[in-house]
Amino acid sequence: DTEVTQTPKHLVMGMTNKKSLKCEQHMGHRAMYWYKQKAKKPPELMFVYSYEKLSINESVPSRFSPECPNSSLLNLHLHALQPEDSALYLCASSQLPHRYEQYFGPGTRLTVT
Amino acid sequence: AQRVTQPEKLLSVFKGAPVELKCNYSYSGSPELFWYVQYSRQRLQLLLRHISRESIKGFTADLNKGETSFHLKKPFAQEEDSAMYYCALSVGVQGGSEKLVFGKGTKLTVNP
Repeated sequence: DTEVTQTPKHLVMGMTNKKSLKCEQHMGHRAMYWYKQKAKKPPELMFVYSYEKLSINESVPSRFSPECPNSSLLNLHLHALQPEDSALYLCASSQLPHRYEQYFGPGTRLTVT
Repeated sequence: AQRVTQPEKLLSVFKGAPVELKCNYSYSGSPELFWYVQYSRQRLQLLLRHISRESIKGFTADLNKGETSFHLKKPFAQEEDSAMYYCALSVGVQGGSEKLVFGKGTKLTVNP
């Protein structure tokens, strides 16, 4: 299995909702990433996990809470989001060290109303 | 500061013509550079990595440290090459981790 999968594909949530995005890979990668991508813009790094430990937080607001329960799974918990948080959220994974290729998932299209 | 510059937001060529997508970087360390491609309605995927020196789908890219460039080239463009292309630089951060810094991307359109 050489794919990164993400669920759900689409998510619409209100500003008071709590929801979670999920990401899974079975390539044995020990680094996993969350990115945010706005339309016609490059991906912006949010979080990096290395060996299931948070290694990079790019000063992301606390309404986004990442979790890496095991080496195959990565979650992004969402709470009290703002409309400007609407974007495509991408998950990626790679071997360590980080200089290896990153494999991206298809993304979750999030709309905050 | 680390930075990746792709000067062309849009690039349009005719089928069969040569194409060059420019990428310049700024980084004090030893650069590890990538080209990623995003076809319409598909996921972001690696096209080339400078260290592998492979040719993928007819594309090549050479790292020029003197000019701090990593331009992507193809001698004969095909319509299926139409996509968004991102140049990316792997940079070290405190604690031993690394992250990708992306350029703003070039949208390539190959016309019939």
